[in-house]
Amino acid sequence: EAGVAQSPRYKIIEKRQSVAFWCNPISGHATLYWYQQILGQGPKLLIQFQNNGVVDDSQLPKDRFSAERLKGVDSTLKIQPAKLEDSAVYLCASSLIAGDDYEQYFGPGTRLTVT
Amino acid sequence: QQPVQSPQAVILREGEDAVINCSSSKALYSVHWYRQKHGEAPVFLMILLKGGEQKGHEKISASFNEKKQQSSLYLTASQLSYSGTYFCGTVSTDSWGKLQFGAGTQVVVTP
Repeated sequence: EAGVAQSPRYKIIEKRQSVAFWCNPISGHATLYWYQQILGQGPKLLIQFQNNGVVDDSQLPKDRFSAERLKGVDSTLKIQPAKLEDSAVYLCASSLIAGDDYEQYFGPGTRLTVT
Repeated sequence: QQPVQSPQAVILREGEDAVINCSSSKALYSVHWYRQKHGEAPVFLMILLKGGEQKGHEKISASFNEKKQQSSLYLTASQLSYSGTYFCGTVSTDSWGKLQFGAGTQVVVTP
């Protein structure tokens, strides 16, 4: 089966600019996650969707980050305006069902550099 | 609360064994283990649920001591392919469905 797709793979922007990342989860996976992984650290959950509804966005900096999952399939994560500290790899993951027993499948990530 | 992993890094020769530990200050429901190679996505290894079970994946196994809120990952007879950063993710009993990852343990296996 096809894995989680993400684009772009790399993005370089200047601070205060905006950027958007796209994710297409594995077909049939109801749950979609966006993680931020800063160099040398573990992934940090930004937002979790169940179908097209938000389950958890408690760690999403809502003043500058937004995410949507229209029609319960693809998802877009946006940063506007970007700050230097947003430089990180943004990982999208999906799982069949939300729950603690189910593995998450990760996409290749988008490496964002803010200059 | 983020789990704490130790050691931060380990260097092994092919065939040697290693143990990676993951501990939490909270009561845990499950522990998830992932391996990430440089520049790649994390890849799922195994999930351990409350109940103290052990699981295995190739020559990689893990245990979960729910009383101590700890899990250990055992790399047995390590192979070059085992190199990468290993992350534990924990789900505490008071935050269902929210996976918190540790900072990772970098493993380097040399010939």
